[in-house]
Amino acid sequence: DAKTTQPPSMDCAEGRAANLPCNHSTISGNEYVYWYRQIHSQGPQYIIHGLKNNETNEMASLIITEDRKSSTLILPHATLRDTAVYYCIVRVAIQGAQKLVFGQGTRLTINP
Amino acid sequence: DSGVTQTPKHLITATGQRVTLRCSPRSGDLSVYWYQQSLDQGLQFLIQYYNGEERAKGNILERFSAQQFPDLHSELNLSSLELGDSALYFCASSLGGAQTQYFGPGTRLLVL
Repeated sequence: DAKTTQPPSMDCAEGRAANLPCNHSTISGNEYVYWYRQIHSQGPQYIIHGLKNNETNEMASLIITEDRKSSTLILPHATLRDTAVYYCIVRVAIQGAQKLVFGQGTRLTINP
Repeated sequence: DSGVTQTPKHLITATGQRVTLRCSPRSGDLSVYWYQQSLDQGLQFLIQYYNGEERAKGNILERFSAQQFPDLHSELNLSSLELGDSALYFCASSLGGAQTQYFGPGTRLLVL
């Protein structure tokens, strides 16, 4: 499984954009980049995923570099409720079998 | 709310005992996954079922077993419990075997 590297912690001011980086230099062509977050001890919450194009949904935007070796999750207007651990995951699915390999993630703190 | 339900929310038991955790996937989802989250190991994939059949296996101990029933709910059985089995256990589901996983709220197991 391709490994991801994330900063252990980040801070962001409320109302500003939070940009969370992720390195996945060993990613293969058929592997997707997924982002989840976990607030306290709740179940991980799906945010967004992409293969090679940039993606946007109601929660966030995902920017993937052209060589696919890194990506950035953008929360456009961070609120206090966005304080959580954010996980960047490279997902492999083979013949209907998949597993998510979670790293340590980035602990994002939104400050008032 | 992801649509995935897990029962019970909390479970306290003694070493050597056996417990069963239950998961109901989102409506229409055929695949169920189990994960364990402990303080020292982070989130670890245990096992995946797709439409009643085991599809992928992770670091699941021999003392642990799972199954998926015809109505697609799943149970994770943990036996001969040890103190180190204390953890959060999450279930996730996806439409097929390779689609986005959505996580339930988890079961917190405490072994005394």
